Amino acid sequence: DVKVTQSSRYLVKRTGEKVFLECVQDMDHENMFWYRQDPGLGLRLIYFSYDVKMKEKGDIPEGYSVSREKKERFSLILESASTNQTSMYLCASSLSGGRTEAFFGQGTRLTVV
Amino acid sequence: GENVEQHPSTLSVQEGDSAVIKCTYSDSASNYFPWYKQELGKGPQLIIDIRSNVGEKKDQRIAVTLNKTAKHFSLHITETQPEDSAVYFCSLNTGFQKLVFGTGTRLLVSP
Repeated sequence: DVKVTQSSRYLVKRTGEKVFLECVQDMDHENMFWYRQDPGLGLRLIYFSYDVKMKEKGDIPEGYSVSREKKERFSLILESASTNQTSMYLCASSLSGGRTEAFFGQGTRLTVV
Repeated sequence: GENVEQHPSTLSVQEGDSAVIKCTYSDSASNYFPWYKQELGKGPQLIIDIRSNVGEKKDQRIAVTLNKTAKHFSLHITETQPEDSAVYFCSLNTGFQKLVFGTGTRLLVSP
């Protein structure tokens, strides 16, 4: 069974903290994505990576960075967490090619207080 | 970036009725249009997809139609059941292997 695993289901962090969200996939997929999900706004792409050490900005990259040192792992970093980054974060992976299914993790609900 | 408009935002139907969700887009280069279903507490899962060289695709009670000229595509669910209750997202590929999503439709099927 294919799997995308996010390290935490729920996180509570303080304003100004550096936050790491981890994602691991076991399908040998080239592409990995980080989305943010907010009510009424759908899924918005933060960053994606199409290869190890490669990254591209999505639609809302401000305040975030990413790291992909190994093919199976893609990390989202909030350099200095703010309350407006309270949200559901979803990681996904897919094969290369642009017309392939994306597999999602279960999501991390982050609350910044 | 690419904008995908999805309607309605909420949809309530009686069990056995049909449900239709519609999306419009602007990027004429998009050629892959998947639909995802998100159940409570889970990540989205692909339920059906359609490529630009096809106008309609069916999978049991679910069908998707695509009108590339008008730049809109729709999800049709027939004989709805309570387990169809979920949030549904349309999406499409754009740029370099990216998927862009609509704002979601919350479908509630009442017994």
